[in-house]
Amino acid sequence: GIQVEQSPPDLILQEGANSTLRCNFSDSVNNLQWFHQNPWGQLINLFYIPSGTKQNGRLSATTVATERYSLLYISSSQTTDSGVYFCAVEQSNNDMRFGAGTRLTVKP
Amino acid sequence: DSGVTQTPKHLITATGQRVTLRCSPRSGDLSVYWYQQSLDQGLQFLIQYYNGEERAKGNILERFSAQQFPDLHSELNLSSLELGDSALYFCASSALMNTEAFFGQGTRLTVV
Repeated sequence: GIQVEQSPPDLILQEGANSTLRCNFSDSVNNLQWFHQNPWGQLINLFYIPSGTKQNGRLSATTVATERYSLLYISSSQTTDSGVYFCAVEQSNNDMRFGAGTRLTVKP
Repeated sequence: DSGVTQTPKHLITATGQRVTLRCSPRSGDLSVYWYQQSLDQGLQFLIQYYNGEERAKGNILERFSAQQFPDLHSELNLSSLELGDSALYFCASSALMNTEAFFGQGTRLTVV
């Protein structure tokens, strides 16, 4: 099955710093999403981005489907950005497969 | 609020017992996914239904089963529970196949 690799596994930042999270996948996909799991366990949709670039406030994402990777950019990080960021991909007639996640800690 | 409702939010039960977790998808969504997340682990895909039919199956144990009903809500049944089944169980729904999925708040199952 498709492999989804996220890097880095852990990231510690000072408040106000910028960061880039990466998601590599091993095969072509029909769907790619980024989620944030907050410390209370909720999975929050960040981006639905099978290709192209999207921005939402301090967050933006780019997926280069032909090269099988996606990037999530977080600018001017805040303590509320802490949590685990997951990338999930879906192929035709297959399940939505998650990466192992990047655990982000933003320190005040 | 994602619009996906899972009940109950918390469940504590003894080993050997059987429980049923319920998921109500967003209005109009045809696809339902179930995931298991053990402590500090990633999300493991269990099973997916689309408009009442099973579409994909992950590493779901034989002790676990699921179904999607005509009104599109779904239930995940876990039987002969073991301590290792303690986890957060998530349901997600999407309008169609390969469209944006939204997650419920999860059911935290504790087996004692």
